[in-house]
This record gives sequence, structure tokens and C-alpha cells, in this order.
Amino acid sequence: EDQVTQSPEALRLQEGESSSLNCSYTVSGLRGLFWYRQDPGKGPEFLFTLYSAGEEKEKERLKATLTKKESFLHITAPKPEDSATYLCAVQAPGSARQLTFGSGTQLTVLP
Amino acid sequence: NAGVTQTPKFRILKIGQSMTLQCTQDMNHNYMYWYRQDPGMGLKLIYYSVGAGITDKGEVPNGYNVSRSTTEDFPLRLELAAPSQTSVYFCASSQTFQYEQYFGPGTRLTVT
Repeated sequence: EDQVTQSPEALRLQEGESSSLNCSYTVSGLRGLFWYRQDPGKGPEFLFTLYSAGEEKEKERLKATLTKKESFLHITAPKPEDSATYLCAVQAPGSARQLTFGSGTQLTVLP
Repeated sequence: NAGVTQTPKFRILKIGQSMTLQCTQDMNHNYMYWYRQDPGMGLKLIYYSVGAGITDKGEVPNGYNVSRSTTEDFPLRLELAAPSQTSVYFCASSQTFQYEQYFGPGTRLTVT
């Protein structure tokens, strides 16, 4: 069974204090790993897709990396507007095309 | 483009009542999905569709039904609502299963 574990569950940072969120996964052959951002009361918003170990993608203050067992979402010099819940999801071959989501990391960036 | 739209935003049902959650997308995506999100839990797939007339069960389909008569619409039907169906429901769509999914704003459902 595919499993996704995100840590920490919650993270509080001061504005400008860089950090990383972790997404550990267990799948039988990764087809893709997805990062989403979710603001309170809204649907998840797509950030990145990573397909193979060693791949990296960046968007503004966010950088996602992927190894064979985990993915990191690095946040550099965060701002209060980066506060949100960050969700990780994996897709495996033969998984009926579904994504398996982690429970998310709730990030709060204090001014 | 409006993207993925869902109605209603909020709904309170009594045990045993039925309702339909509406979902529409204007991106001409073939793939559509229904998820539920419970507090502190990841999203769980209820049903998905790979095109008009084709639907299949996800991880947690019991108590729900879907239909897909057009590319744009993918309604979710709850029959005989139960307290365990209290949740936030999200509809999503994607170009293919390999690509990112775009989510609607969600429907918050309470069954009492």
C-alpha cells in the first residue's frame, strides 16, 4: 500500500527564517510526486511535480527536491504570505490513477 | 477561465437525507475526481472519471455515486447521508492522469 508521511505537522517560522518540509513516501515505483499549497477554506493549489530522483524545481521562494525515498520543500526567506498548509502526494503505476496524499504541514510565518 | 467550480459551498443535512454536490470545469479536461478531506487527514479519493460515460471507484466510494454525462460536469450523489460523511469535499480535474490536478474551492458538508 502506498504511504505518504509529512513532517513536521506544524511549523512556525519568523519572516526570513529559511527551513524545509519533509515528505517521505513508500510506493512501488514512483510515477510522480506532487506538491500543493492549501490556504484555509480553499482547495489545494498546484506547485510542483517531480518525476525522478535528483530532480529539482523552483518557484519564487520555494524549491522542491526528490530522492528515492523522500522529497523536501525548501522555503528560503519566507514571508507571511507563504503561510499555508503544504500537501505532498504520490502517484504509482497501477494505482488506478489516484494520488495518495500526506496529511500536510501547516506553515505559519510570523512578521 | 473559471477553472473548477463547486456548489454549494456549505450544506447541512439531516441523517438519511440525500443531496448532489455539483462540479463543473471549463478547461476541457478529460479526467475528473472527487476527494474528501477530514481534519488532520490527507485527501481521500472517492470516485474518478476518465471521460464522459466512464467512472470508477477510488479509495472510499461507499455511500456515494457519480455520473459523467458531459466532459464539463461530474456530480457526486450522497444517498442516505450519515454522520461519517461530514467532511469537506473537493472536485478536481486534470488533462491526463500524469498531469497536475486542479481543484475546486470545496463543499463543506455537515450531517447531523
